[in-house]
Amino acid sequence: GAGVSQSPSNKVTEKGKDVELRCDPISGHTALYWYRQSLGQGLEFLIYFQGNSAPDKSGLPSDRFSAERTGGSVSTLTIQRTQQEDSAVYLCASSFGRRGYEQYFGPGTRLTVT
Amino acid sequence: AQSVTQLGSHVSVSEGALVLLRCNYSSSVPPYLFWYVQYPNQGLQLLLKYTTGATLVKGINGFEAEFKKSETSFHLTKPSAHMSDAAEYFCAVSDGGDGGSQGNLIFGKGTKLSVKP
Repeated sequence: GAGVSQSPSNKVTEKGKDVELRCDPISGHTALYWYRQSLGQGLEFLIYFQGNSAPDKSGLPSDRFSAERTGGSVSTLTIQRTQQEDSAVYLCASSFGRRGYEQYFGPGTRLTVT
Repeated sequence: AQSVTQLGSHVSVSEGALVLLRCNYSSSVPPYLFWYVQYPNQGLQLLLKYTTGATLVKGINGFEAEFKKSETSFHLTKPSAHMSDAAEYFCAVSDGGDGGSQGNLIFGKGTKLSVKP
């Protein structure tokens, strides 16, 4: 079956511009996570969605970052006024739930801020 | 709070030799433990996981790991390395939501495995 998909696969943007990254989770998965993978910081948790509940935004690094999940399915991560330190690979993962369930990862979006 | 330490950012083995990648964790509640593999320019793929029950868990591609509570370790092993095992390996811990998080994964820094012919 289809796995987690993310788009675009690569995004180059100028400093100060806004970007939107999209994640399509596996059908039926209620939990959705965003992570960031960067050279200096490794893999970091950003935000968590569970069904229609309010998201856990505790991992977002600044208020320039936001995310939404429409209809309990597709999610969009938005970064406003991008900075060079935002350059990283943004990974999305989905699972049936949080209690020990495997998280399935998408291929990621490589963001480069010039 | 939870954390993961992977000893050795780079490990090199010869083809056919034992692979041992070390992972130690800290957790205030019984942990869920995972090993993921990442091939170049690809996402993360689950190798194996420990949730409850048998402490020796077997995964894909001949890998296995043993949960040792007394040592707070979850080392990854494979008896005989293959060239195709060259990749980066990440150990991760989750509290499943029992320790105040939302079950998000806390990752180690990763270990890059090289396999020499």
